[in-house]
Parts: sequence; structure tokens; C-alpha cells
Amino acid sequence: SAVISQKPSRDICQRGTSLTIQCQVDSQVTMMFWYRQQPGQSLTLIATANQGSEATYESGFVIDKFPISRPNLTFSTLTVSNMSPEDSSIYLCSAGPGLNTEAFFGQGTRLTVV
Amino acid sequence: QKEVEQNSGPLSVPEGAIASLNCTYSDRGSQSFFWYRQYSGKSPELIMFIYSNGDKEDGRFTAQLNKASQYVSLLIRDSQPSDSATYLCAPQAGGTSYGKLTFGQGTILTVHP
Repeated sequence: SAVISQKPSRDICQRGTSLTIQCQVDSQVTMMFWYRQQPGQSLTLIATANQGSEATYESGFVIDKFPISRPNLTFSTLTVSNMSPEDSSIYLCSAGPGLNTEAFFGQGTRLTVV
Repeated sequence: QKEVEQNSGPLSVPEGAIASLNCTYSDRGSQSFFWYRQYSGKSPELIMFIYSNGDKEDGRFTAQLNKASQYVSLLIRDSQPSDSATYLCAPQAGGTSYGKLTFGQGTILTVHP
């Protein structure tokens, strides 16, 4: 199983600023994803982080708001840009799943925008 | 119709009983099916996954999959108060959406002593 380190674990940010969340996996993985969990809600996929190319965003999420980098097979970042209180959520990085293998999550970043 | 629907909760069972969690999904191309447990304020923790029709057992947990009916379930035997959490069903997409997980809204389980 992969071990995923995500940081920061939590942050309180001023509206209008940006926060970059880092995700480090202890082994090379093909698939990495970023999810958002709004208060009281389930997880929603933001985008697929593609190694060496632009991320693939889900409907409702755009690159200008959530730029993503994936420079190699073990690391990815998600930036939440020009934050507003509506961006207050838990953001989760995931590695995998592969073909019939597990998907693992980082411990999440709890973001509060004030 | 939601892509992934889970039985509405909260579900309350007495300690030692069997808890039954159900999930239906709309994408027939789904490859594997994951069950996660999430405690309040924590990230999801993988319970088990299943990709073949039938049953898969792991300790007190049994996952059941019926792709023809687009149905997956999780049974928890000998429920313990520590099992009290939100349980998330997540089919894994196939095809061009390979790897993505679509989560249900979750079922809150409470196991009371």
C-alpha cells in the first residue's frame, strides 16, 4: 500500500489569497487525483493530476481556480486561488486506484477561508 | 438519478448485530467498487474493495457485488461501537475515465452498546 503525505494539514487563510497543498507518495504511482469535501458532504473529484501534462478537470472546476502540478510520479500540488469563504473545505489527495488495486488518501488539508 | 446512491441513514444497530450498507450505481462501465470508512474530521480509510461478482470477506466485513443489478453492499458482522462512522461507497470508473472514484453521499452508522 502507498503512504501519502499531505501538507499542510490545516490552514486558515484570508479571502483573496492562494494556498498550495502538497502531496507526496512514498512510491511511484500512475494515477493521482484531487478531491474536495465540503462541510457535511461527500467527496467530489476536482481533477486528475497527469504527470508531465496539464491536469484533467471535472465539470465545475477550472484551472485558473485550481491549478495543479505533477512534475513526477510521486508528487503533486493543488493550489486554491483567490480564495473565498465558499472554498472552505477539506482537500484530499489520492493515489490510485490502478487496475483492481486500492486507492489511498492523504490525511487531507482542512482549509478555512475568513 | 444520482450516479451513486447509498441507503439513507442514519443507520442505528445494537452492538453485536449485523449492519447492512447498500449502494447502487448508474455507470455500467464501473470496474471496481470501494468501501471507505470516515470518522468525523478524518480522511477516508479503505475498508475493502471488490471487482468480481459475488462475495468477498475480510474479517468482520463482507462486500457483495452484483454488476447485473448495479448493486454493491457491505455487511459488518458483530458490529462494535468503534464501527460508528460514515461509510462511503465509491465505484471506480473504467474506459476514458479510468481510475476516477465517484462517491455516494455516505451512510452514517451508529452502533450503540
